[in-house]
Amino acid sequence: DAGVIQSPRHEVTEMGQEVTLRCKPISGHNSLFWYRQTMMRGLELLIYFNNNVPIDDSGMPEDRFSAKMPNASFSTLKIQPSEPRDSAVYFCASRLTGALAFFGQGTRLTVV
Amino acid sequence: KQEVTQIPAALSVPEGENLVLNCSFTDSAIYNLQWFRQDPGKGLTSLLLIQSSQREQTSGRLNASLDKSSGRSTLYIAASQPGDSATYLCASWTGANNLFFGTGTRLTVIP
Repeated sequence: DAGVIQSPRHEVTEMGQEVTLRCKPISGHNSLFWYRQTMMRGLELLIYFNNNVPIDDSGMPEDRFSAKMPNASFSTLKIQPSEPRDSAVYFCASRLTGALAFFGQGTRLTVV
Repeated sequence: KQEVTQIPAALSVPEGENLVLNCSFTDSAIYNLQWFRQDPGKGLTSLLLIQSSQREQTSGRLNASLDKSSGRSTLYIAASQPGDSATYLCASWTGANNLFFGTGTRLTVIP
């Protein structure tokens, strides 16, 4: 398996633009997580899905953030409109319940 | 909310030395505890997962222990090498399938 795949690896966008981050989890995993990493706050859970259903989105900072998982092999995290303070590395992770979680390489987002 | 603390924040050791990284958590009702490493500008690499019923896990030169009653975990690295230089993160799984991360220990192994 190729592991958790995220795209794009880097994204630079202007304030106010819509940004969509993509994730393909490891096949067979039933949980998917979106994290954000910044120097100030470390790794923060934004939202996670179990069997494609959003379970806990309490970490989503604002209504500008939304996430979907239309099927077991794909998820998106969308920011609309983006702001400079959204600049961070966004990680997607997947796991089979009770087992190791595997992380993607992350998307480095810069909003100017 | 689970709080995970890692001490020290940074550590430098000469090559070949054995070392211990510490992790403490506030809520002992964890399901599992997982250790990761992160290289600069990279993603997280899973190292070890300790189930709540276990006390330790070993993988090569790495040994992780878990003491739920005291809210502590340690990662022991034997015969450290320059390639071990990275940030090491511990994270606890709660029953709600949530993974809380510590702030990490940045390890530098000096050749």
